[in-house]
This record gives sequence, structure tokens and C-alpha cells, in this order.
Amino acid sequence: AQTVTQSQPEMSVQEAETVTLSCTYDTSESNYYLFWYKQPPSRQMILVIRQEAYKQQNATENRFSVNFQKAAKSFSLKISDSQLGDTAMYFCAFMKHGSNYQLIWGAGTKLIIKP
Amino acid sequence: EADIYQTPRYLVIGTGKKITLECSQTMGHDKMYWYQQDPGMELHLIHYSYGVNSTEKGDLSSESTVSRIRTEHFPLTLESARPSHTSQYLCASSESGYYNSPLHFGNGTRLTVT
Repeated sequence: AQTVTQSQPEMSVQEAETVTLSCTYDTSESNYYLFWYKQPPSRQMILVIRQEAYKQQNATENRFSVNFQKAAKSFSLKISDSQLGDTAMYFCAFMKHGSNYQLIWGAGTKLIIKP
Repeated sequence: EADIYQTPRYLVIGTGKKITLECSQTMGHDKMYWYQQDPGMELHLIHYSYGVNSTEKGDLSSESTVSRIRTEHFPLTLESARPSHTSQYLCASSESGYYNSPLHFGNGTRLTVT
């Protein structure tokens, strides 16, 4: 069975700093998808970034980028020039190809951006 | 802003009551999901649907039931609520045809059973 581990329950950084959130996963599959979702306080969960395992190039979305290390089964999220609005719970999720779209979730990292 | 709506946002009820948590989406998505989320814990899938009249149980055992009579509507019902059902319930939907299609989430219903 697949598992997703986020080893940092909580992190805090100063505004404008760069922060990296870690995520590791365990799977024997070769074809899968990885996601980072963000859940701001009292607001909807939204997708931050996604990565297909067959793509070697790391995904990037504006200030958000990932470091995908397939052999190490690591999928970290880097937030550059952090902003107050980045304060949220961040969840890493794994989906096996052909799994009927079911995601396996990590326990989340609470990120606090301090002014 | 939200294209997927959950009501109520907060609910406090007594043990043994029957409750229905509502979820509706306006995006025409075939796929809909119910997740249970406890503080500091991962999300657990309790039900999902691929379309009208299609429902399946997720990986977390749940005493709840769901129905999908219309594409846009996916209510979750607890026939007899218990304190162990206290949690946050998140509804989500996604497009068909794309394995990496993102989930669109509602704001959640925070349920407390006393």
C-alpha cells in the first residue's frame, strides 16, 4: 500500500524568505502523480502544483516549484518570496495511475508566514 | 468564488440524530468525493461517485451513506450520529478524462456530535 509522509508538522518563516516543505512517499508503482494542495485558514483547499512521475522536469507555478526525486521517492515544495497569504496547511498527495482517481494524502504541514 | 458548495458550514447535534450534509457543484463534473478530515491528520476518502447512480465506498470505513441522483448534487447522510462522527467533512469534485485533473473542494462542514 502506498503511504505519504510529511515530516514537518509545522514551520514558520519570515515574509519574503524561501521555504521548503518535505514530502516522501512509498510505492512500488512506476506510473503515478503527485500533488501539493493548500488549505488556508477557514477557506477551501486548492491545488498548488502537480507532477507526473514520468516527467523528469520539475513542475513550476510562479513562486512555487517542486524538487521531484523519483529514485529517492521525494517530492518537496519550494515557496520563493513567501507572502502572508501563503499561510496555510499544505498537503502532499499521491495517486497511482489507474487507481480510479483515489488520492493518498500526507498529514499536512502547517506553514506560518510572519510579517 | 466557490463552484462547489457545502451546507451547513457548522453543525452541532445530539447523539442519535439523523443528518444530511449537502454538497452541490456547478461545474458539471462527473466525479465527486467525500473526505473526512481530523485536525493534524490526513484526509480520508469515505465515498466517491463517477456519475449519476454511481457510488462507491472509499478506503475509510464509514457508517454514512451517499446518493447521486443528479450530477450536481452529492449528499451524505448519517442515519444515527455518534460522538465518533465528530470531524470535518470535505466534498470535492473533478473532471473526467484526466488522471491529474485537480480536485475542487468545498469549504467543508464541521460536525460536532454531543
